[in-house]
Amino acid sequence: SQKIEQNSEALNIQEGKTATLTCNYTNYSPAYLQWYRQDPGRGPVFLLLIRENEKEKRKERLKVTFDTTLKQSLFHITASQPADSATYLCALGDSGGYNKLIFGAGTRLAVHP
Amino acid sequence: DTGVSQDPRHKITKRGQNVTFRCDPISEHNRLYWYRQTLGQGPEFLTYFQNEAQLEKSRLLSDRFSAERPKGSFSTLEIQRTEQGDSAMYLCASSLAEANYGYTFGSGTRLTVV
Repeated sequence: SQKIEQNSEALNIQEGKTATLTCNYTNYSPAYLQWYRQDPGRGPVFLLLIRENEKEKRKERLKVTFDTTLKQSLFHITASQPADSATYLCALGDSGGYNKLIFGAGTRLAVHP
Repeated sequence: DTGVSQDPRHKITKRGQNVTFRCDPISEHNRLYWYRQTLGQGPEFLTYFQNEAQLEKSRLLSDRFSAERPKGSFSTLEIQRTEQGDSAMYLCASSLAEANYGYTFGSGTRLTVV
């Protein structure tokens, strides 16, 4: 069955460092992959989308890579700030016209001053 | 347009009662999705509409769950004969059909079945 794995343990880093979050998947060939941020008690907020034919995408301090051979995406936040503390969700989409997304369980990031 | 609105934000109900949630998507979005999220898990797909047509429904979704999107605008999700296992955050999202756009989620309705 399709499976998406994100680090279940929280990632604790020092302010100013680069945070790197991992998303691995099996039994799936997504046409694209998205990353979302979720704060407690709120809905997820879309951050970035990367397609299967793209290796890397950047947006301000965010960078996403997508390796379809390794079946892995890496999500980087450079110069991290305490305000970046949240849960980050990886979501995979199929090629059928951007229908449903399948979400991972998320990784909680805590950035300490 | 203030984004995706969901109502109510919180709902406490007794086991066996019926509940209905409402979602108002972004007006120009033709796609609407319902997801369910429990603590420590990612959102789980429930169903999807394109305009007023319900195009996909999760096989995991019990027959007690039904969703509608009359006239392709707002949507309702009804749960009949609620069970304690239905306690979760119910999230609604909308999107455009074109590429490069992610989902815009509402803040969710937290359901507690006692």
